[in-house]
Amino acid sequence: DAGVIQSPRHEVTEMGQEVTLRCKPISGHNSLFWYRQTMMRGLELLIYFNNNVPIDDSGMPEDRFSAKMPNASFSTLKIQPSEPRDSAVYFCASSLARGLGEKLFFGSGTQLSVL
Amino acid sequence: GENVEQHPSTLSVQEGDSAVIKCTYSDSASNYFPWYKQELGKGPQLIIDIRSNVGEKKDQRIAVTLNKTAKHFSLHITETQPEDSAVYFCAASVSNDYKLSFGAGTTVTVRA
Repeated sequence: DAGVIQSPRHEVTEMGQEVTLRCKPISGHNSLFWYRQTMMRGLELLIYFNNNVPIDDSGMPEDRFSAKMPNASFSTLKIQPSEPRDSAVYFCASSLARGLGEKLFFGSGTQLSVL
Repeated sequence: GENVEQHPSTLSVQEGDSAVIKCTYSDSASNYFPWYKQELGKGPQLIIDIRSNVGEKKDQRIAVTLNKTAKHFSLHITETQPEDSAVYFCAASVSNDYKLSFGAGTTVTVRA
């Protein structure tokens, strides 16, 4: 398996623009997570999906952030409008369902810079 | 919620020496403790994990110990090599709970 695949690897955009980050989880995994990593706050869980359904979005910073999982093999995280404070590395991770294993597998991340 | 503290924040060791990273947690219900290694430009990768029904687990040069009474766990890397240089994160969760609480990370540098 190719692991969790994220795109793009790097994104540079201007304040106010819409940003869409993409993720393909490991085949067979039905739990998907979006994390944000910054020096100040470390690794923060933004949202958790189970079987394509958002279970916990309490970590989403504000209404400018939204996430979707239209099917088991694809998820997006969208920021609209983007702000400089959104600059961070965004990771997608997947795992088997709860009760079957907690091992999280992370993608390589998207480095987002909002100017 | 769970609070995980990790020390030290940076660690420099001579190649061949051992490295030890310590973490404490606050929620006595936590029973799953993974360790992740993050290399530059990559996502965190699980390197070892331990559950509360065991006190120690080893995998080649890596070992993790757990003291549930004191609510702390540690990562031990023996015979360090340059490729061990990375950021290491500890984490804790309750089994069957999706939420992992991560420590702040330890930047390990192995000097050749």
